[in-house]
Amino acid sequence: GENVEQHPSTLSVQEGDSAVIKCTYSDSASNYFPWYKQELGKGPQLIIDIRSNVGEKKDQRIAVTLNKTAKHFSLHITETQPEDSAVYFCAASKGYNTDKLIFGTGTRLQVFP
Amino acid sequence: ETGVTQSPTHLIKTRGQQVTLRCSSQSGHNTVSWYQQALGQGPQFIFQYYREEENGRGNFPPRFSGLQFPNYSSELNVNALELDDSALYLCASRGRENTEAFFGQGTRLTVV
Repeated sequence: GENVEQHPSTLSVQEGDSAVIKCTYSDSASNYFPWYKQELGKGPQLIIDIRSNVGEKKDQRIAVTLNKTAKHFSLHITETQPEDSAVYFCAASKGYNTDKLIFGTGTRLQVFP
Repeated sequence: ETGVTQSPTHLIKTRGQQVTLRCSSQSGHNTVSWYQQALGQGPQFIFQYYREEENGRGNFPPRFSGLQFPNYSSELNVNALELDDSALYLCASRGRENTEAFFGQGTRLTVV
């Protein structure tokens, strides 16, 4: 079945630096790739997503890139702030299923002031 | 706030017991999905309900079952609880296909 691998599992950066999280998926039929931020005691919150017909998408300090040939996608956060500290999950799904998601194992991002 | 509420927030059950978890979807959302998130792991898809019918299921045994009601609220039922069922259970609701799904805050289930 579909599998999503995510690296690194933990990431520590200084405030103002950039952070990059990478994911690899196995099912070539996947075409929807969201990224979620989960803070302690809360459910995952969608921060950005990309579909297979697009190679890159940007929203202010957050960007996602997709390489369908290599089956990997990445989250880039620039000018990190302490409030960016959280666990980040990548996910993948087929078709228009924004909610039948296969999640990665998560990356704990710590931004130090 | 996402408008998706789950109850209870925490509960403790004994191995072998049964449990019912509840989810109130965001207004106008007719599709709900349930996920199990073990500690330190990503959420795993359990099943989805659309207009009161199961519409896809992940790799979970039949003792995990669900219901969706006409007002689009839903339940997750787990029979014969096992220690490994201890996890955060999340529901996510959405409206039209191809639109964002919103997660609730989850129910933390501990099986002892």
